[in-house]
Amino acid sequence: EVQLEESGGGLVQPGGSLRLSCGASGFTFSNYAMTWVRQAPGKGLEWVAAISGSGYRTYYGDSVKGHFIISRDNRRNTLYLQMTSLRVEDSALYYCAKRIYGGDDSGSFDLWGQGTMVTVSS
Amino acid sequence: EIVMTQSPVTLSLSPGERATLSCRASQSVGYNLAWYQQKPGQPPRLLFFGASTRATGLPARFSGSGSGTEFTLTISSLQSEDFALYFCQQYYNWPLTFGGGTKVEIK
Repeated sequence: EVQLEESGGGLVQPGGSLRLSCGASGFTFSNYAMTWVRQAPGKGLEWVAAISGSGYRTYYGDSVKGHFIISRDNRRNTLYLQMTSLRVEDSALYYCAKRIYGGDDSGSFDLWGQGTMVTVSS
Repeated sequence: EIVMTQSPVTLSLSPGERATLSCRASQSVGYNLAWYQQKPGQPPRLLFFGASTRATGLPARFSGSGSGTEFTLTISSLQSEDFALYFCQQYYNWPLTFGGGTKVEIK
């Protein structure tokens, strides 16, 4: 079955760190760029970061640049998001998603996980 | 950053009616525009990419159109399962950006 499954969310204090994981199955993971998108409760979608299929190219939204790092392990079919210096405004449901086609890094996303919740609060 | 603006914020319609959702980009994105549908408690579902290319399995009552800065998602005859949130997303350049969303609700 083609699917993505996020994990690693939780409650963390401001200034803390957290690492999210996204396990992929049912497709050739290394062929596809991947992305993280977040959604605060009751709000819209915010693109966070993306990474090429090889992992050599990464892209970040302005609000997370310098304190989040996206990476991937193609041997383990897993995508990561290392989050540091967390702020209250980083609280959201974090989705990982797969680019619809291989090749380019940018694009639309045809497969999404169910998300993992991150709450930053003291 | 390209700003995506969706209108209206809320669309109140009855089943069987036609829904027209708008998405405007602050600068041209060509045809690099996707539409997503999101229902409560679920992740987004891709509806269209390339502004008008239908995703796998999408019913024919949905259509996407536009290019440049103006885009439209049309649902020709609303079914009960179509009442949901809809987002547009540009992928012309980085950072990728989403519109604020349009909620299609039952009147």
